[in-house]
Amino acid sequence: DAGITQSPRYKITETGRQVTLMCHQTWSHSYMFWYRQDLGHGLRLIYYSAAADITDKGEVPDGYVVSRSKTENFPLTLESATRSQTSVYFCASRRGLDTDTQYFGPGTRLTVL
Amino acid sequence: TQLLEQSPQFLSIQEGENLTVYCNSSSVFSSLQWYRQEPGEGPVLLVTVVTGGEVKKLKRLTFQFGDARKDSSLHITAAQPGDTGLYLCAGLAGSNYKLTFGKGTLLTVNP
Repeated sequence: DAGITQSPRYKITETGRQVTLMCHQTWSHSYMFWYRQDLGHGLRLIYYSAAADITDKGEVPDGYVVSRSKTENFPLTLESATRSQTSVYFCASRRGLDTDTQYFGPGTRLTVL
Repeated sequence: TQLLEQSPQFLSIQEGENLTVYCNSSSVFSSLQWYRQEPGEGPVLLVTVVTGGEVKKLKRLTFQFGDARKDSSLHITAAQPGDTGLYLCAGLAGSNYKLTFGKGTLLTVNP
């Protein structure tokens, strides 16, 4: 009954370092999403995936990389972190149909110093 | 690019008052969802509206989808402190499975 989990919940890193945020869902949902949430901007889509090995860019993909080798996992990597990437990151999943519920993880608060 | 404008951005009211939050766009959406987000947590779906003119009620919350499917409203009757949170509207257009989110309305209900 885990649902959708994210790790770590909090992360502090330094400019230039690589950091990976993990996302795991137990429902075998086809669609998974990564968002960042910032004051004044709301939720912005970074990357999304329609199935294993299928990913595509969202609204703000620059500086981020994703992979999806298994249906249940969708890690987000910041290859060289910048201060502008300080944010709260949310992973989400949905079964597929347009009226389906989209489930969000609890979020990862990332600070880049 | 489809945009959803939410108003007001902030709302602080006393317990027992009524309120309405608006979500407007110039684009047509095939469905629209409302989420509530509490501090330190991810958004949680409250309702999905699909048909133009549709009204859905969830206890003291009433959701309406505009006739043209370009706008929606959330009305809360007799607000309670437990209603405090960030309310987000999100729309889907056509067969696109990517949600477009509004920036949210931060509601504070004071005892």
